[in-house]
Amino acid sequence: DAGVTQSPTHLIKTRGQHVTLRCSPISGHKSVSWYQQVLGQGPQFIFQYYEKEERGRGNFPDRFSARQFPNYSSELNVNALLLGDSALYLCASRMGQGVGADTQYFGPGTRLTVL
Amino acid sequence: LAKTTQPISMDSYEGQEVNITCSHNNIATNDYITWYQQFPSQGPRFIIQGYKTKVTNEVASLFIPADRKSSTLSLPRVSLSDTAVYYCLVGDSYKLIFGSGTRLLVRP
Repeated sequence: DAGVTQSPTHLIKTRGQHVTLRCSPISGHKSVSWYQQVLGQGPQFIFQYYEKEERGRGNFPDRFSARQFPNYSSELNVNALLLGDSALYLCASRMGQGVGADTQYFGPGTRLTVL
Repeated sequence: LAKTTQPISMDSYEGQEVNITCSHNNIATNDYITWYQQFPSQGPRFIIQGYKTKVTNEVASLFIPADRKSSTLSLPRVSLSDTAVYYCLVGDSYKLIFGSGTRLLVRP
């Protein structure tokens, strides 16, 4: 079975631009979460979506938004890009909302570079 | 969510057993303990998850004492390809809180 997939793998943008990152969860998984990982640090939680509804949000500005589609795939949007948005963006999926032993599986990530 | 503390780095040699201990003094009753492995510029890879006592799979073992305030990831006979960052996470929630992880370096 395919794991979590993300596109694109790499992306270069300039300051002020907008970017859309895409994620397809593991088949049967209804929850998608997004994380930002800056070089040298652990991943930081951005959003979680379950059954197309936002169920959690991390400490990120309103320039970050996301949505989940009926097929449970998801998009992360970032507006007005800043140099500090350069990072590896990770998508993770799980079957449910994350109760108990509901393991979260990560995709390969999208490397965003803002110039 | 319970905070975790783990060593910043560890060194080992090929063929040795490596044990990485994680402290989580404030673990809640419903929390599970999960370990991930991450290579540079890749997504974290699930290694093992447990609630109490011992869990073993094809790549690792997880030892959890009765008080569950710590856990130890055991990697048998490491190889150079096990050089990576290992994260210990504790929670029963949608939001995983990652610490800085343990950087394991396996030498020839």
